[in-house]
Amino acid sequence: AQRVTQPEKLLSVFKGAPVELKCNYSYSGSPELFWYVQYSRQRLQLLLRHISRESIKGFTADLNKGETSFHLKKPFAQEEDSAMYYCAPFYNQGGKLIFGQGTELSVKP
Amino acid sequence: EPEVTQTPSHQVTQMGQEVILRCVPISNHLYFYWYRQILGQKVEFLVSFYNNEISEKSEIFDDQFSVERPDGSNFTLKIRSTKLEDSAMYFCASSLEGGLKETQYFGPGTRLLVL
Repeated sequence: AQRVTQPEKLLSVFKGAPVELKCNYSYSGSPELFWYVQYSRQRLQLLLRHISRESIKGFTADLNKGETSFHLKKPFAQEEDSAMYYCAPFYNQGGKLIFGQGTELSVKP
Repeated sequence: EPEVTQTPSHQVTQMGQEVILRCVPISNHLYFYWYRQILGQKVEFLVSFYNNEISEKSEIFDDQFSVERPDGSNFTLKIRSTKLEDSAMYFCASSLEGGLKETQYFGPGTRLLVL
């Protein structure tokens, strides 16, 4: 079965602190990995995806195939980073995203 | 920047009634999706749709659910006879293509409440 685990429901940090949002996925084929973000009262939007190897808003995510993890990191959190973050592997069969439970990131001043 | 739109934003209905949730995907996109999120739970895949056919559907997407692209712009999700447990936020998404590299763009959601 295809599963995604985001172990932290809520992560609270102070501004300027490093952030790591954890994501583990079950291995089934070769999923592409995405992180989506939902800011307050806004729609789900793509934050970054592994295949692009890009850094968006200072966030990066490293794929560790051995640990089947795709943790999201940022060295210095900002208040505007406060949002819900969803790890979502994409499985090519049927073209579906499988979402994790989400981690609420709260960055305090 | 083009966006996926959804109507209505909120819908309240009585158990057993039919509801139709509407979505207007981004105009040149070819792949369409419905997801739902029950309050406090994860976003769940319902169905993907391409070339006027369902590509894949989840276990949730039973005979009570159907999707349609009635014209060149709308993509609808119909629930034939709503149950209390259908209360959720329903998200429509679209993508230009269906492969691993493609981003799915989400609508703002329709909050459905079944009484």
